[in-house]
Amino acid sequence: AQKVTQAQTEISVVEKEDVTLDCVYETRDTTYYLFWYKQPPSGELVFLIRRNSFDEQNEISGRYSWNFQKSTSSFNFTITASQVVDSAVYFCALSDVFGNEKLTFGTGTRLTIIP
Amino acid sequence: DVKVTQSSRYLVKRTGEKVFLECVQDMDHENMFWYRQDPGLGLRLIYFSYDVKMKEKGDIPEGYSVSREKKERFSLILESASTNQTSMYLCASTESGTYYGYTFGSGTRLTVV
Repeated sequence: AQKVTQAQTEISVVEKEDVTLDCVYETRDTTYYLFWYKQPPSGELVFLIRRNSFDEQNEISGRYSWNFQKSTSSFNFTITASQVVDSAVYFCALSDVFGNEKLTFGTGTRLTIIP
Repeated sequence: DVKVTQSSRYLVKRTGEKVFLECVQDMDHENMFWYRQDPGLGLRLIYFSYDVKMKEKGDIPEGYSVSREKKERFSLILESASTNQTSMYLCASTESGTYYGYTFGSGTRLTVV
């Protein structure tokens, strides 16, 4: 069975600080996809990134970066120089490539940026 | 833009009522999903459908059913609403075989009293 663990339930940082959101996953598949979604106060989940299991390169997009390490089954998300607009709930998710693309989600991390 | 539209943002229903939650997507996606979101539990899959008239149970299907008569529409049905079904319900869709992830609707917050 697949599982995604986001151990950090809530994080608060002061604006402009860097913050890392942790994600650890479990799967027996050799081919899988990992995702991060952002859920702002409006409620609609917004896709941030997808990573497949064969691509361990880190990714950077502006202030956002992702560190994928298969050896530790982790897919961590770092926000550099955080801003108030980054306040949201962030979900990590894992896709089963043989199961019609069902996503297994973690329980989410609520990030609050204090101005 | 891909759009997934959920018919109601907020709903209040009475215990025992039959409740219909509607979801429509406009991008010809094959796969559609219903999740519920509860604090501390994340998103849990209720049902999904990978084609018209096809449906499969997710992790928590008890007390729910679904209908997919047309490709663009996926309905979630609470046969007899109970207070423990008070939750945020999220619909999502995705194109089959792409693994691009989901496009989500804005959610329906259902309160059963």
